[in-house]
Amino acid sequence: GAVVSQHPSWVICKSGTSVKIECRSLDFQATTMFWYRQFPKQSLMLMATSNEGSKATYEQGVEKDKFLINHASLTLSTLTVTSAHPEDSSFYICSASPTGFQETQYFGPGTRLLVL
Amino acid sequence: QQPVQSPQAVILREGEDAVINCSSSKALYSVHWYRQKHGEAPVFLMILLKGGEQKGHDKISASFNEKKQQSSLYLTASQLSYSGTYFCGLGSNDYKLSFGAGTTVTVRA
Repeated sequence: GAVVSQHPSWVICKSGTSVKIECRSLDFQATTMFWYRQFPKQSLMLMATSNEGSKATYEQGVEKDKFLINHASLTLSTLTVTSAHPEDSSFYICSASPTGFQETQYFGPGTRLLVL
Repeated sequence: QQPVQSPQAVILREGEDAVINCSSSKALYSVHWYRQKHGEAPVFLMILLKGGEQKGHDKISASFNEKKQQSSLYLTASQLSYSGTYFCGLGSNDYKLSFGAGTTVTVRA
């Protein structure tokens, strides 16, 4: 149980294009999902908290107009990197907290983004 | 604020033990431990929700000392599969996690 999927797992795009990443909780409902970014050999940095049916809350220093988050249902959150640039290249990981058990986060397999 | 993990890295032979520490300058609501293998997402190991709590998963266990604002993860009789980077995540009252820098564990045959 507690499986989270992400799609795509890999994406390579040209500078200036937008990329959408999906995060799905497969066997549980998740009121809250989180989006992280991880650079090589570094820790996970929280970007934003996504709550179903409401606007996402962003961490300090994260541009909300650049990283658009939509939490359309209790099993799906999407992160769109708009007008991507090479410095946006990173490993993006989502996590989901089961409704009623919000202390626990289960991570998706991550999406590796390379912007050329 | 990011918790402090120590050591940064540890190399073990199969069957040896290790301890990873995680400390915070703020009061702890919860402590979460994850293991991440290279190129993969973190895998949930365990969560400790209150001071004095101890938990175990196979031969990996953890303790939570609320007064000292720290948690320790114990790897006992390590196996090759224990290799990876271990992260502690400190939970706050809004369910966000703040992760430490990680401890890289290498278990050799």
